[in-house]
Amino acid sequence: AQSVTQLGSHVSVSEGALVLLRCNYSSSVPPYLFWYVQYPNQGLQLLLKYTTGATLVKGINGFEAEFKKSETSFHLTKPSAHMSDAAEYFCAVIPLSGNTGKLIFGQGTTLQVKP
Amino acid sequence: DTEVTQTPKHLVMGMTNKKSLKCEQHMGHRAMYWYKQKAKKPPELMFVYSYEKLSINESVPSRFSPECPNSSLLNLHLHALQPEDSALYLCASSQVSGLAGGRNEQFFGPGTRLTVL
Repeated sequence: AQSVTQLGSHVSVSEGALVLLRCNYSSSVPPYLFWYVQYPNQGLQLLLKYTTGATLVKGINGFEAEFKKSETSFHLTKPSAHMSDAAEYFCAVIPLSGNTGKLIFGQGTTLQVKP
Repeated sequence: DTEVTQTPKHLVMGMTNKKSLKCEQHMGHRAMYWYKQKAKKPPELMFVYSYEKLSINESVPSRFSPECPNSSLLNLHLHALQPEDSALYLCASSQVSGLAGGRNEQFFGPGTRLTVL
């Protein structure tokens, strides 16, 4: 069964530093890939997605992610962290097999931004 | 209008109460979802409605009863809940469900924080 692994349940960076949140998926056929952000006591907001086309995807709030088929990865980056980026980040996939369209989430990574 | 709204924001109920959660979207989406989220965990899918018909039930206990009165509204009726059902309940919608060339991007509402006493 398809799974999503987010390396590091907790990542801490200084304000202005590079943000790198890791996500790997486990299928031979690349799925649709998503990153969501969840601020405290709020719902999930889509940051960016990859379905087809250009492998470097730009999202909102200065985030981007690169799909690397050879590494089965979809890591999320931001060049310079801001205090407002502190939140929970979820990588998610929709497998291309089964046609259910079900989102499968990783366990999430809590991003802490230190002043 | 590009948002999903949910009411109420917070709900406290006893184990014998009957209550309902409501979700609404006006994006013309034909797929709507209910998720349950425990603290520090990813959302867990409960139900999927596609074109107002229930298409997926993830073996959810019958004390949770979904309803889709029309393409814009989704309800979750609650009865005889247990304390372990306390969680954030999220509604989401997408243009369609299934695989549809990327039109299945899900938009989430802010959630209802449910506490069962």
